[in-house]
Amino acid sequence: DQQVKQNSPSLSVQEGRISILNCDYTNSMFDYFLWYKKYPAEGPTFLISISSIKDKNEDGRFTVFLNKSAKHLSLHIVPSQPGDSAVYFCAASKAAGNKLTFGGGTRVLVKP
Amino acid sequence: GAGVSQSPSNKVTEKGKDVELRCDPISGHTALYWYRQSLGQGLEFLIYFQGNSAPDKSGLPSDRFSAERTGGSVSTLTIQRTQQEDSAVYLCASSFPGGTTRSTDTQYFGPGTRLTVL
Repeated sequence: DQQVKQNSPSLSVQEGRISILNCDYTNSMFDYFLWYKKYPAEGPTFLISISSIKDKNEDGRFTVFLNKSAKHLSLHIVPSQPGDSAVYFCAASKAAGNKLTFGGGTRVLVKP
Repeated sequence: GAGVSQSPSNKVTEKGKDVELRCDPISGHTALYWYRQSLGQGLEFLIYFQGNSAPDKSGLPSDRFSAERTGGSVSTLTIQRTQQEDSAVYLCASSFPGGTTRSTDTQYFGPGTRLTVL
């Protein structure tokens, strides 16, 4: 039972354009959502998070949107840069200190 | 450094041997987590520590897997009688849950230990 899903395994985008990554979840108990970026042979790097009491959080080029009624979140990267090429994971947790449940990841390739 | 560190970075072992993987969390982080990522798979939760206690061990795949945490800091994940299906990258993360906002609950990951069982 996949509680967190990233339906697009890969995404290719031109440098300078917007990258939009999507994530769906099924468990309404999730109240904290995170995006991580992962390069090969490295651990996941935290990018941005959002609490369920908000619908948008922005940090520089990264914006996360949360639609609780649709159980959907998205990550927007604008403008995309070649260094953004990596695998992106969305993750969710139910309560403080709780384990993270991850999506399967989306591989992003930003073309110069 | 101030991040989560793990050792060794790579471990190659023979089937049937025991291995120990170590995690040093960020100083002051009370919560520590172990995850693993098998080839072509997503990140899978193994165990969670709050202080030295493990309130959630639900992700440990078999009784060959165990973990401990001492002094509220360093943690060791032990795999006994390793099998080829144990080959994966084992990741450790830490956080400081219970702050005034959920942002303190963000988990920060170490670089991982790549385990290969021949």
